[in-house]
Formats: sequence, structure tokens, C-alpha cells
Amino acid sequence: QSVLTQPPSASGTPGQRVTISCSGSSSNIGSNYVYWYQQLPGTAPKLLIYRNNQRPSGVPDRFSGSKSGTSASLAISGLRSEDEADYYCAAWDDSLSGLFGGGTKLTVL
Amino acid sequence: QVQLVQSGAEVKKPGSSVKVSCKASGGTFSSYAISWVRQAPGQGLEWMGGIIPIFGTANYAQKFQGRVTITTDESTSTAYMELSSLRSEDTAVYYCARVWVRGVISSVAFDIWGQGTMVTVSS
Repeated sequence: QSVLTQPPSASGTPGQRVTISCSGSSSNIGSNYVYWYQQLPGTAPKLLIYRNNQRPSGVPDRFSGSKSGTSASLAISGLRSEDEADYYCAAWDDSLSGLFGGGTKLTVL
Repeated sequence: QVQLVQSGAEVKKPGSSVKVSCKASGGTFSSYAISWVRQAPGQGLEWMGGIIPIFGTANYAQKFQGRVTITTDESTSTAYMELSSLRSEDTAVYYCARVWVRGVISSVAFDIWGQGTMVTVSS
């Protein structure tokens, strides 16, 4: 069981907005940046959001991140079929360890 | 643009060790931390530890303390992850990943990933 808690699944229809939550504690999300990764089947993860709400170059602005207290969220607007993937939140923990959420499988209906 | 290229798939017996390599090309190696992340079949991502080549001191997840050793060879821009006392639960894809901020090891901001190395532990 992961220290960062994510819903195991999420879904939406094309064009919809979906959000994925990530819950942690004061020693990780509460005191450090949150990062989000997208993992397509059979590939390595890709950095989607860094420092809570920043997008790397090349990531569409349909993807956005936010953080409040010990929780964070990833929002995807204008959902597209190619967004179907696994999404992971991540944060550093003050115990000097990296943490990932358990992952959320996004299905585009 | 930096690329990380990992060694090939491995099949190991329980109780043995495996050493996976991660060679960087196309950019600066020594001052960026390299971390190792694994993913068991159908499971999520798990951080194992990291190292900054220029400093040489590794930081490990408590779960793997005593069983994992992360090292680097600056002359070949290669990082290594060795896992000992293998058991079936160690069957996973092992990734190396670069922390995007120079000189920082305490981060999960990975901008460049290797292609992954499948390690199968089976008798």
C-alpha cells in the first residue's frame, strides 16, 4: 500500500474534464513539491507536471496540477483518446525517501 | 539531449544478485542525480534510491537498505544498481531516471528515463 493515495481508476468521455487526486501527509506533500507522471502501456513514465503546477515544455495546457495542504490533484481538460494511460503522483518525503502514489488508470470511454 | 540506455533483460535464481547498468550519452552526467525506480508486473512505481556521480554517496529507500547498492563510473558515464538476495517479489522492470535539477538528490523530479530492464527471478 502506497503512502501517497490515489484512486485506482478514473474515466471520462472525449472532451470531458477529469481530475485525479493524490493524498499524502505533512512529511511529503505537505512540505515538498508534487510531481505527476504519465505512463503509456509498455513505456517509461513521462514527467507531466513538476513543482505542483508547472508543465514541462511540450506538455499540452490541457494538463494542470494543483496542491493544497497534504493533497494534490491532476486535472485533464478536453479529454482525448490518447490520454488513456496510468498516472502517478510523486513527492519527496522528509524521511529522505522518494514516494509514488499507487497509480490511477485513466480510461477514455 | 541526454539519453539513458540500460542493459538488457536478466533471469536470475532466488538468492542470487543482479547488476543493471544505465549509460548516459549526449550531455552532462556527473552533476545530476540518477535514481532507480522499479515496477513489478501490473503494479505501481517504487523508488529504490539515488546517487549524484560527482559526490558518489548514495541514498537508499529503507525497504532496500542492505540489499541494494547504487554506484557510478564517471569515466564511462554509467550508473549501476545491484540488488542482492533476490526473491520472486523482485521480479520487475527496473528504470534509471535523471533528476532534472543539477546537484539535487532529494527529488522525484525525473525528466529523463532509461528504457527499463526486465529482471525475472525464478527457480
